[in-house]
Amino acid sequence: AQKITQTQPGMFVQEKEAVTLDCTYDTSDPSYGLFWYKQPSSGEMIFLIYQGSYDQQNATEGRYSLNFQKARKSANLVISASQLGDSAMYFCAMGGGSNYKLTFGKGTLLTVNP
Amino acid sequence: DTEVTQTPKHLVMGMTNKKSLKCEQHMGHRAMYWYKQKAKKPPELMFVYSYEKLSINESVPSRFSPECPNSSLLNLHLHALQPEDSALYLCASSQAYSGTALQETQYFGPGTRLLVL
Repeated sequence: AQKITQTQPGMFVQEKEAVTLDCTYDTSDPSYGLFWYKQPSSGEMIFLIYQGSYDQQNATEGRYSLNFQKARKSANLVISASQLGDSAMYFCAMGGGSNYKLTFGKGTLLTVNP
Repeated sequence: DTEVTQTPKHLVMGMTNKKSLKCEQHMGHRAMYWYKQKAKKPPELMFVYSYEKLSINESVPSRFSPECPNSSLLNLHLHALQPEDSALYLCASSQAYSGTALQETQYFGPGTRLLVL
């Protein structure tokens, strides 16, 4: 079975600084995908970034990058130059392989301070 | 641009009421999903529709009845709900559903906050 672990229930960062949100995963499947979603207090789940298990390079999308370390089974999200609007819950999720649905972590609540 | 819309944004209903949640996507996706999310928890999958046919039902109680009238629309009919059904209900869509979520990024709507009294 697939498992996602987010060990940081809450994180604080100063505006304009970079922040890393941790995500580790466990699976025996050779093929899988890793996703990060942002959920502001309004409720919408916003897709941020995707990394496939066979991708050689780390995924990047604007200020978001995914630090993929396959041997360590980690897929940390790096947000550069934090903005106040980045304050939200962030979910790491995994799909593919033997699992027919996304497996979500418990989430990390990020607060960006001015 | 990704766009999944949901109506209503908020809904308050009594345990004897019948109501419906609506979801629409304009991305040409052929898979649509219903999730339930309790406060401070990750979303939990309820149903998956693929090409307008129900593919997955996560043992959801029959008081929740999904419907997919066409490839763009997804409804969730509610009847005789319980207070514990109060939650955020999220709709999502993806290009397709192949039984795995490997390549299929799911795009979510803004959700409906449901309160059952």
